[in-house]
Amino acid sequence: SQTIHQWPATLVQPVGSPLSLECTVEGTSNPNLYWYRQAAGRGLQLLFYSVGIGQISSEVPQNLSASRPQDRQFILSSKKLLLSDSGFYLCAWSADARQPQHFGDGTRLSIL
Amino acid sequence: GDSVTQMEGPVTLSEEAFLTINCTYTATGYPSLFWYVQYPGEGLQLLLKATKADDKGSNKGFEATYRKETTSFHLEKGSVQVSDSAVYFCALSDPYNFNKFYFGSGTKLNVKP
Repeated sequence: SQTIHQWPATLVQPVGSPLSLECTVEGTSNPNLYWYRQAAGRGLQLLFYSVGIGQISSEVPQNLSASRPQDRQFILSSKKLLLSDSGFYLCAWSADARQPQHFGDGTRLSIL
Repeated sequence: GDSVTQMEGPVTLSEEAFLTINCTYTATGYPSLFWYVQYPGEGLQLLLKATKADDKGSNKGFEATYRKETTSFHLEKGSVQVSDSAVYFCALSDPYNFNKFYFGSGTKLNVKP
């Protein structure tokens, strides 16, 4: 069966520091991969999605970037974090765009 | 653009009460519709889905019917349990780019024994 892993589960970072969140999927090949952010008390906002290695679509211009160096690895990065980057970050995968998305357990990011 | 509107919470019910969480959407074309559930400290889990008008999605006693005439996908359960306490998200996928999901803001459900 397929599983999705995100780490770390929680992270506290100072303003201006870099960020790297990692997501990996097991048990499937060539998944579509997604990064979402959930701000406190709000719904999910799609940040990036990828349909293949090296292919990244950005939905919201902001202080973040994403990369997909391997088929089942999706990384969310920032060179300099802002206070507004705080939130709950969720990675998801789907077999293809028409299939439901399956989510990881998320990373809670706090910026001080 | 596409969007999803959910009723605001929290919704507080007693065990065995009937549940309705309203969801309406705005989209061009024919989106697929989903309900996801998020338990405390966890990611989202797919609860049910419907891919075309008049489809009824169901799972674990929850149901929702895709109503194109009212652009709605209300979530219902006949008898809630304490274990149903969670945040429920309605979502749609863009019919012209299924990679784009739009989520509602979530409705928190508290079920008291």
